[in-house]
Amino acid sequence: RKEVEQDPGPFNVPEGATVAFNCTYSNSASQSFFWYRQDCRKEPKLLMSVYSSGNEDGRFTAQLNRASQYISLLIRDSKLSDSATYLCVVIRQGGKLIFGQGTELSVKP
Amino acid sequence: DAGVIQSPRHEVTEMGQEVTLRCKPISGHDYLFWYRQTMMRGLELLIYFNNNVPIDDSGMPEDRFSAKMPNASFSTLKIQPSEPRDSAVYFCASSKQGLDTDTQYFGPGTRLTVL
Repeated sequence: RKEVEQDPGPFNVPEGATVAFNCTYSNSASQSFFWYRQDCRKEPKLLMSVYSSGNEDGRFTAQLNRASQYISLLIRDSKLSDSATYLCVVIRQGGKLIFGQGTELSVKP
Repeated sequence: DAGVIQSPRHEVTEMGQEVTLRCKPISGHDYLFWYRQTMMRGLELLIYFNNNVPIDDSGMPEDRFSAKMPNASFSTLKIQPSEPRDSAVYFCASSKQGLDTDTQYFGPGTRLTVL
């Protein structure tokens, strides 16, 4: 079992839809959590950090549930430009970054 | 700011050859990271440096891989000898404050193909 697991995708949604991605992690000592976005054949870029209290950035909302070892990303009113692969990232105690395999999102007109 | 610079952007080589990938981090960033991305294994951290010193190389797959950071503005990842299973995209990233306290900025990557 992978240390960080994500919904396999791909998610194909129409413009304006709301879409949610899930991520689970197995190491309960994990300390920090992030969502990165990666466009096709490009480098990953930080989308947002994830906090226990939840955090929102415009159309994007991230949630962390430490008890269930679960992270989510919600995208509201999806745009064509949201099409990308979304990577869940967990930092272990001791500092090592572990990336999920990524979930591909395709937003169609 | 120029961002993280990597070279070459693409490399095609034959099995057994030595490959050297280069990275220039963002000026003022104290941490530098090397990653490898494949379809099968996703994105994996290979090694990272703090102030030019290797801190964790537990992700380096085997002795054929080595990384150096002779100064704050330059790092290399070397594969010798290269094998077809080394084909991947290799990313370099840098950050100002480290793994869990700061954003990592990734370079554009080097797409390596070993024939």
